[in-house]
Amino acid sequence: QSVLTQPPSVSGAPGQRVTISCTGSRSNIGAGYDVHWYQHIPGIAPKLLIHGQSNRPSGVPDRFSGSKSVTSASLAISGLQAEDEADYYCQSYDSSLGGRVVFGGGTKLSVL
Amino acid sequence: QVQLVESGGGLVKPGGSLRLTCAASGFTLSDYYMSWIRQAPGKGPECVSYISATGGSIYNADSVKGRFTIARDKAQNSLYLQMNSLRVEDTAVYYCARVNWYYDTSGYSRNFYFPFWGRGTLVTVSS
Repeated sequence: QSVLTQPPSVSGAPGQRVTISCTGSRSNIGAGYDVHWYQHIPGIAPKLLIHGQSNRPSGVPDRFSGSKSVTSASLAISGLQAEDEADYYCQSYDSSLGGRVVFGGGTKLSVL
Repeated sequence: QVQLVESGGGLVKPGGSLRLTCAASGFTLSDYYMSWIRQAPGKGPECVSYISATGGSIYNADSVKGRFTIARDKAQNSLYLQMNSLRVEDTAVYYCARVNWYYDTSGYSRNFYFPFWGRGTLVTVSS
């Protein structure tokens, strides 16, 4: 069971907007640690989408945006495209057990 | 252009050993923290080990402590993961990833993320 909780799947039609939630606790997101998001298409290297809640690396379209609340974070994808179909993972840091990097269980995005 | 290529995965019996290699290009590996991240079938990723730029700081997850050893070779610009006493639950795709770390504005909390990953190598532990 992952430390960060994500919905197993979300879906949307081309052009629509979807959001993926990432719920943590007081020892990770709630403790002030930043949240980062990755896109993974099986067989290809995982790709960093968002770092530090809302920062996009060079080359990532502005259709992807991130936000953070008290103990949770969200990734929003607007103007859905077929190539957005992938697995999405959130990641943060957790102060328990001496400190460790933690990931969510992943969300499969289907573009209908 | 940053590139990371993992190799060395395969099928091994419980109790056996494997050595994974990550060949880096486009940057000097020893200038950065580097990590091994694994993903078991149907599960989220798990950071199993990372090593600091100087090599003076090493992290191993509790799940692999005492069994896995991370190391690197400056001349080969490569990262390694020696895996001993392998268990069925070590079955996963293993990724090499470069680490970015920074302190938040309070200067208290250290944050990590992974800007570059390889494609991974599959390790299967089965009798």
